[in-house]
Amino acid sequence: AIQMTQSPSSLSASVGDRVTITCRASQGIRNDLGWFQQKPGKAPKLLIYDAFSLQSGVPSRFSGSGSGTDFTLTISSLQPEDFATYYCLQDHNYPWTFGQGTKVEIK
Amino acid sequence: QVQLVESGGGVVQPGRSLRLSCAASGFTFNSYGMDWVRQTPGKGLEWVALIWFDGTKKYYADSVKGRFTISRDNSKNTLYLQMNSLRAEDTAVYYCTRVREYGMDVWGQGTTVTVSS
Repeated sequence: AIQMTQSPSSLSASVGDRVTITCRASQGIRNDLGWFQQKPGKAPKLLIYDAFSLQSGVPSRFSGSGSGTDFTLTISSLQPEDFATYYCLQDHNYPWTFGQGTKVEIK
Repeated sequence: QVQLVESGGGVVQPGRSLRLSCAASGFTFNSYGMDWVRQTPGKGLEWVALIWFDGTKKYYADSVKGRFTISRDNSKNTLYLQMNSLRAEDTAVYYCTRVREYGMDVWGQGTTVTVSS
C-alpha cells in the first residue's frame, strides 16, 4: 500500500499567518491527492481535490500544489474557523490511504 | 438536500458481527461510487472499503479484507457494511461517503462501533 507521510503532525499559528502542510507519498501518485479538514466531533470536509482543484464553496485562501510524490496545502491567511485537523488522501491506488493528520492550533 | 445517514452502530463482543447501513437522499444514488471510512478514538482516518456505482467492483483495506463486506441496494438508496469477526481494533466511528471521480465530497455524520467484552 502507498504510505502517506504528512508533516508537521501539529503546528501553532496566529490568525493571519500563512500556513503550509506537506504530504509525501511513498511512490508516485500523479495528482491523485485530496485534502480534508476536520473539526472536533464533525465529519471531514473535502477542501482540495486532484492536488490543486478547490472544492465548491471552499474559501480561496486554501490552495494545493504538487504532483508525483510531494504535495502541499497552503492557507494564505489563517482565519479563526481554520483551526482544525487536516488530512491528505491518495486515491491513486487501492487501498486508498490517508496521511496521519496535522492539527492546526491557536498560538 | 444531499444527505447520508449512517445507522447500525453499537457495542458488540469480539468475534461477533454487525451490519452498518447508510441511507442516501438528495442525489441519484445509483450514479455514484460509495465508500466507508473509519476513525479510531483520538486517531486519524482509515479508508475501509469502496463499491462502484453499480456494485460490480469492490475494494477493501488490508485490515478488513476477508472479514468485512461492502454492498449496496440501489432500489433502496442504501449502502451497507457487513462486519464479521470483529476485533477490538475495529472500534471506531464509521462514516459513509459519496465518491466522485475526484474524491469523497459528501460525508455522513458517522456511527460508532465499539468492540468490547
